[in-house]
Amino acid sequence: TQLLEQSPQFLSIQEGENLTVYCNSSSVFSSLQWYRQEPGEGPVLLVTVVTGGEVKKLKRLTFQFGDARKDSSLHITAAQPGDTGLYLCAGAGSGGSNYKLTFGKGTLLTVNP
Amino acid sequence: KAGVTQTPRYLIKTRGQQVTLSCSPISGHRSVSWYQQTPGQGLQFLFEYFSETQRNKGNFPGRFSGRQFSNSRSEMNVSTLELGDSALYLCASSLELGSGGVFFGPGTRLTVL
Repeated sequence: TQLLEQSPQFLSIQEGENLTVYCNSSSVFSSLQWYRQEPGEGPVLLVTVVTGGEVKKLKRLTFQFGDARKDSSLHITAAQPGDTGLYLCAGAGSGGSNYKLTFGKGTLLTVNP
Repeated sequence: KAGVTQTPRYLIKTRGQQVTLSCSPISGHRSVSWYQQTPGQGLQFLFEYFSETQRNKGNFPGRFSGRQFSNSRSEMNVSTLELGDSALYLCASSLELGSGGVFFGPGTRLTVL
């Protein structure tokens, strides 16, 4: 069973601060995705990383895929209250027919004004 | 283009009853997958359908079943409901089986009393 562990589980910061969320596994994934979920809604895809060592930027968000494709991080610069939400990482299995996504339990981020 | 729609959005049932949830994927998307989200377990994969056939299945009991119609719309059914089935049930669609990005609906909040 492929497991993804996210840390921290909860994070409460002030507007303007920087933060990093981690997603770790002992398994190798063919790709890894990050989602943000707001209360009462489904998760929204932010980014997909595929290549080991890959770095992607989405405005103030920077995503990195580990060289061994077992871990990933999400860094937010100058956090805004609108960044509040549950951040989920999800790994897709490598090869074969295992296309189902394995999700971490998420990091609940609160950005206070 | 309309997003993934799920009906109903909220549902209250009692133990022993059965329930059917419906999902309409994004137009043109042929793969539909279902997830259960609870505070304790996070997002867990239920099953994935493509071309009216179940292609992948998660580790859930046989009380959980689903199907996909020729227009790609999908339904999932839970029989003999238990208190522990209370959760947010999320449907996600993607263009093809195993494609990188999935798009989630808002979910159906099921409460079992």
